[in-house]
Amino acid sequence: EAQVTQNPRYLITVTGKKLTVTCSQNMNHEYMSWYRQDPGLGLRQIYYSMNVEVTDKGDVPEGYKVSRKEKRNFPLILESPSPNQTSLYFCASSPPGQWTIYEQYFGPGTRLTVT
Amino acid sequence: AQSVTQLDSHVSVSEGTPVLLRCNYSSSYSPSLFWYVQHPNKGLQLLLKYTSAATLVKGINGFEAEFKKSETSFHLTKPSAHMSDAAEYFCVVSVVRSGGSYIPTFGRGTSLIVHP
Repeated sequence: EAQVTQNPRYLITVTGKKLTVTCSQNMNHEYMSWYRQDPGLGLRQIYYSMNVEVTDKGDVPEGYKVSRKEKRNFPLILESPSPNQTSLYFCASSPPGQWTIYEQYFGPGTRLTVT
Repeated sequence: AQSVTQLDSHVSVSEGTPVLLRCNYSSSYSPSLFWYVQHPNKGLQLLLKYTSAATLVKGINGFEAEFKKSETSFHLTKPSAHMSDAAEYFCVVSVVRSGGSYIPTFGRGTSLIVHP
């Protein structure tokens, strides 16, 4: 089944404790991205990657890191989480080609709470 | 620069009545436009997309949207609401920037409430 998977689905952690949220897609998509969703703000893009070893900042990159060593994986790293990073996080991927005309496929989300 | 405004944060309808979710956008270039739906505790699913082929776009589950360039709008409609349509709906605009970067802009969402 074609899908985007994220792990963990739920995570409660403490301020400053490094964490990684994994994202994997099995559709051979080149484009992958991370979003955070906060009430009343919609989804905001954190980072995106147009291909292996090619990443760039989205609208809200502060406090996050990403890497793209393999095409299928795009982990999100919070080196020193803070309470304002408490949010619902989504990973998404798009097929190769013209990104504007292809929809994104979203993972199920990761709900992160930082205390 | 690009932006999206969803004009209603909540829309409430009765089952069987029409649905209208409003979206206005601004973009310096010819945009692609999308509507996504998010059911509770789920990820986002594409409803439909506009990519300049036709101004009236049909999507899944009976939804459709009309691109009106003169009004910079992309409103989502459905003739008859079903209880299963209750969800959060997001309008999205995206433009490929110089160098090929791509940052889609999401509206803040409209919560559709369907009463029996």
